[in-house]
Amino acid sequence: GAGVSQTPSNKVTEKGKYVELRCDPISGHTALYWYRQSLGQGPEFLIYFQGTGAADDSGLPNDRFFAVRPEGSVSTLKIQRTERGDSAVYLCASSFSGGLGYTFGSGTRLTVV
Amino acid sequence: AQSVSQHNHHVILSEAASLELGCNYSYGGTVNLFWYVQYPGQHLQLLLKYFSGDPLVKGIKGFEAEFIKSKFSFNLRKPSVQWSDTAEYFCAASSFGNEKLTFGTGTRLTIIP
Repeated sequence: GAGVSQTPSNKVTEKGKYVELRCDPISGHTALYWYRQSLGQGPEFLIYFQGTGAADDSGLPNDRFFAVRPEGSVSTLKIQRTERGDSAVYLCASSFSGGLGYTFGSGTRLTVV
Repeated sequence: AQSVSQHNHHVILSEAASLELGCNYSYGGTVNLFWYVQYPGQHLQLLLKYFSGDPLVKGIKGFEAEFIKSKFSFNLRKPSVQWSDTAEYFCAASSFGNEKLTFGTGTRLTIIP
């Protein structure tokens, strides 16, 4: 596609529920990144994929967070047992072969009530 | 720990004024530096980036930034701002060879017509 697509654009969920956030990168981009942006803060790194494998998952805050990219294209960020503190905008970005200066999507705004 | 600081949280200028937004980083070793912009309702977009070479980097829309190694700074400048420059500006950095970006907290720029 023309840009990085993220769905849904907004998600409201109850505390304790499971959510999945989807990212569709630019066609041909092998590198994919997830960031989280809380109110009043800059984006914070979560995980980076090169192809199908997670090359760096050091930013995942705890084991409730997990991300996959099974075919090296679409990625899903999964959050189990959501907490109110998980409320944020989750950003996805992609780049060609890991080149820095990547293209961001519009994000998914997650609200945990 | 690696960090990026943006000390100006909100800057208000009149059209045609000159702009300088501060960015300081704390990184060991070689660093890559970036400025991203987020216009109202839009996704993060890359304004400019510095990897090596000429420390004065020119980006899109008339923006430029200067890498001053001795001051650990990468300030963003524009000689004459326009109303359409109203946006949030984020400075970011990464270690050489590392895909993970560390962002500052952002500076909200408001241009008064």
